[in-house]
Amino acid sequence: QVQLVESGGGVVQPGGSLRLSCAASGFTFSSYGMHWVRQAPGKGLEWVAFIRYDGSNKYYADSVKGRFTISRDNSKNTLYLQMNSLRAEDTAVYYCAKEREIVVVPVSPFDYWGQGTLVTVSS
Amino acid sequence: SYVLTQPPSVSVAPGKTARITCGGNNIGSKSVHWYQQKPGQAPVLVIYYDSDRPSGIPERFSGSNSGNTATLTISRVEAGDEADYYCQVWDSSSDHPGVVFGGGTKLTVL
Repeated sequence: QVQLVESGGGVVQPGGSLRLSCAASGFTFSSYGMHWVRQAPGKGLEWVAFIRYDGSNKYYADSVKGRFTISRDNSKNTLYLQMNSLRAEDTAVYYCAKEREIVVVPVSPFDYWGQGTLVTVSS
Repeated sequence: SYVLTQPPSVSVAPGKTARITCGGNNIGSKSVHWYQQKPGQAPVLVIYYDSDRPSGIPERFSGSNSGNTATLTISRVEAGDEADYYCQVWDSSSDHPGVVFGGGTKLTVL
């Protein structure tokens, strides 16, 4: 069965960096686009970034553009999110999510989500 | 950037029908997906491409999309349907394309 397991969360000071990982199994990882979505405590869902199945195309939310970088290693079935210049408002649970279909642009819904990893930005 | 507007809360008695709206400029021209999220859990896809239902989702869940409003309808509401619901689209209409979520609607079963 499909599994997405996030790791790498923790407490970091403002201005610091963190790298999140999402280990995928149960499907052909290299065939599907992947997303990061976050949820601040008590708040709604906020999309963060998308990467195409082959890594050739990436999109970012305006709130993280220039600070966060999404990447993937298809040989390791792993998705990454490098987060730099972290701010208090980046505090959230970060989920990785899989696209339901193989598409060129991310119009597909997210059919599987990980359980999330908590990132806390605080001094 | 594109904005999706949901009512913060909807309340319904068990056995009745709940309708959760998602408003957006000409949203009828976009594909809308809906997610259910219960406390402490990851979101679950309940409706995709406006009105399709994933396997395992009860037929009580349905969706529609036209004009400036998409609607998630839950018939014969049960206590277990109490959750937050989010609509989602892909917006390519601006200079900064991206995925957009609505603010979420908390469904309370009375």
